[in-house]
Amino acid sequence: AQKITQTQPGMFVQEKEAVTLDCTYDTSDQSYGLFWYKQPSSGEMIFLIYQGSYDEQNATEGRYSLNFQKARKSANLVISASQLGDSAMYFCAMRMNSGGGADGLTFGKGTHLIIQP
Amino acid sequence: DTAVSQTPKYLVTQMGNDKSIKCEQNLGHDTMYWYKQDSKKFLKIMFSYNNKELIINETVPNRFSPKSPDKAHLNLHINSLELGDSAVYFCASSQERWTRYFGPGTRLLVL
Repeated sequence: AQKITQTQPGMFVQEKEAVTLDCTYDTSDQSYGLFWYKQPSSGEMIFLIYQGSYDEQNATEGRYSLNFQKARKSANLVISASQLGDSAMYFCAMRMNSGGGADGLTFGKGTHLIIQP
Repeated sequence: DTAVSQTPKYLVTQMGNDKSIKCEQNLGHDTMYWYKQDSKKFLKIMFSYNNKELIINETVPNRFSPKSPDKAHLNLHINSLELGDSAVYFCASSQERWTRYFGPGTRLLVL
């Protein structure tokens, strides 16, 4: 069974500092995908970044980057130059391999990030 | 342009009632999903569906059933609602392995 662990229930960070949100995963599959989502207080789920297990380079999307360490089974999200608008819940997720193409996501419990001015 | 939409946004109902949540995607995706987010913010997949198969999470009670009239729609029907069904329900869609687009969520409160 696949499992995602986010060990930081909450984090307080000063504005403009870099933030690292931890995510470790457990799977016996060789092919898998890792996602990060942001959920602000308004409730919508915003896709941030994706990393495939065979991708050789770490994924980047603007201020977001994914520190993918395959041997350690970790996929930490790094937010550079944090902004007040980054305050939200952040979820790490892994694509399940259902075998038929309709692969759902297994989510971690999330990290509540608060950016302080 | 809304990619994945859900109606209603809020749903308040009495225990024992039957209700439906509608989901539509205009992305042309083949696969759609339903997720449940509980009061502790934990997200769990309920169903995955494409034109070939329906995958049901074994923990989902059979009071919940997805209905897909066409590729762009996946509605969620819930029979005999219980207090524990109160949650936020998210619809999502995907085409490639590296995309998952979520709808805005439907906040269900069972009284």
